[in-house]
Amino acid sequence: AQSVTQLDSQVPVFEEAPVELRCNYSSSVSVYLFWYVQYPNQGLQLLLKYLSGSTLVKGINGFEAEFNKSQTSFHLRKPSVHISDTAEYFCAVWGYALNFGKGTSLLVTP
Amino acid sequence: DTAVSQTPKYLVTQMGNDKSIKCEQNLGHDTMYWYKQDSKKFLKIMFSYNNKELIINETVPNRFSPKSPDKAHLNLHINSLELGDSAVYFCASSHSWGLAGDRTDTQYFGPGTRLTVL
Repeated sequence: AQSVTQLDSQVPVFEEAPVELRCNYSSSVSVYLFWYVQYPNQGLQLLLKYLSGSTLVKGINGFEAEFNKSQTSFHLRKPSVHISDTAEYFCAVWGYALNFGKGTSLLVTP
Repeated sequence: DTAVSQTPKYLVTQMGNDKSIKCEQNLGHDTMYWYKQDSKKFLKIMFSYNNKELIINETVPNRFSPKSPDKAHLNLHINSLELGDSAVYFCASSHSWGLAGDRTDTQYFGPGTRLTVL
């Protein structure tokens, strides 16, 4: 079954610094990858997704991710974070449903 | 105007009780899902319905029974609640099941129902 591994459970970062949240996926012929964000006490919201085409995917709130087939990675990046980006971030891969990673908690401090 | 809504938002109950969680979507989607998020925030698919038919049934105790009266609703009934059932349950919906070409089948999530079993 398709799976993803999020390599960091927590990422602390200062406001306006860049951030990268790492995600690796299990190898497959075709892979569809997603990043979701969960703000405290809320449901999940789609940030971006890779289905095919350009390997650099731009999402909402200034986030982007790069699909790297050779490294089986789909890391999420933002050049400058805000306090409001503090949330749980989930990488997911489509199997016959969304299979989520264990999440990365991003904590942005002043 | 909430796209995917769930009721109740919080549910506190005793072991052994039976409870239901309701989900409604007003997006006109064909497919709906139930996910369970445990205390470590790990999210796992439980069920999925497409056009009111069950298409995904993960290894979930048969105390959990989903019911879809129509395409806009997917309810979750839980019998004989146990301590380990305490979690946040998320409902989600998508245009259709699976991915077809470049069509986006983004899943839209509800706000979650926090179930606490005492």
